[in-house]
Amino acid sequence: AQKVTQTQTSISVVEKTTVTMDCVYETRDSSYFLFWYKQTASGEIVFLIRQDSYKKENATVGHYSLNFQKPKSSIGLIITATQIEDSAVYFCAMREGDSNNRIFFGDGTQLVVKP
Amino acid sequence: GPKVLQIPSHQIIDMGQMVTLNCDPVSNHLYFYWYKQILGQQMEFLVNFYNGKVMEKSKLFKDQFSVERPDGSYFTLKIQPTALEDSAVYFCASSLAGGGNQAPLFGEGTRLSVL
Repeated sequence: AQKVTQTQTSISVVEKTTVTMDCVYETRDSSYFLFWYKQTASGEIVFLIRQDSYKKENATVGHYSLNFQKPKSSIGLIITATQIEDSAVYFCAMREGDSNNRIFFGDGTQLVVKP
Repeated sequence: GPKVLQIPSHQIIDMGQMVTLNCDPVSNHLYFYWYKQILGQQMEFLVNFYNGKVMEKSKLFKDQFSVERPDGSYFTLKIQPTALEDSAVYFCASSLAGGGNQAPLFGEGTRLSVL
């Protein structure tokens, strides 16, 4: 079974609006870490933001924030005031346990920001 | 910011030949990873490496694959012999030691085309 699921294949928004991308995960570990990355048109993969499973507060970095709903195993990415250059594929990822082991990626959500 | 460098950006080889993909991790990072991505799809974990040893590997990490990092040198992924299904973009990543909250930073990938 896939450990990280992103059900939205593609989302299109108008710039300066807010967008939310969904992600659900599956794990039996009590300690885990959730990451969001984006992949630009050039193929570059950029780390955006992280949520630690033991933290109740939603992480925020710049115009990225997370909606962490632990009982639902859900970690949504919220981008406020979207810009054209936010157009990319966004990957949700999870690491189980508290060591530098592998991270599992979802299938990605394509975000298109239009003028 | 710190960057992971991958050399070359594109490699074309004939099926059955050997290929070595090179990765120059961030200088103070101690954990290294290889991921495989086909046609912009899901990022699939291959292997991670620490202190001269393979820590984890997936089913995709076939017997024809090997990794090493001689002291002060590149972290390499060698495929010998190559097969048509090895055509993909291979991403190297590295992270600091210190636990699961260390997000791997990715290079820009090497596109491998096996003919």
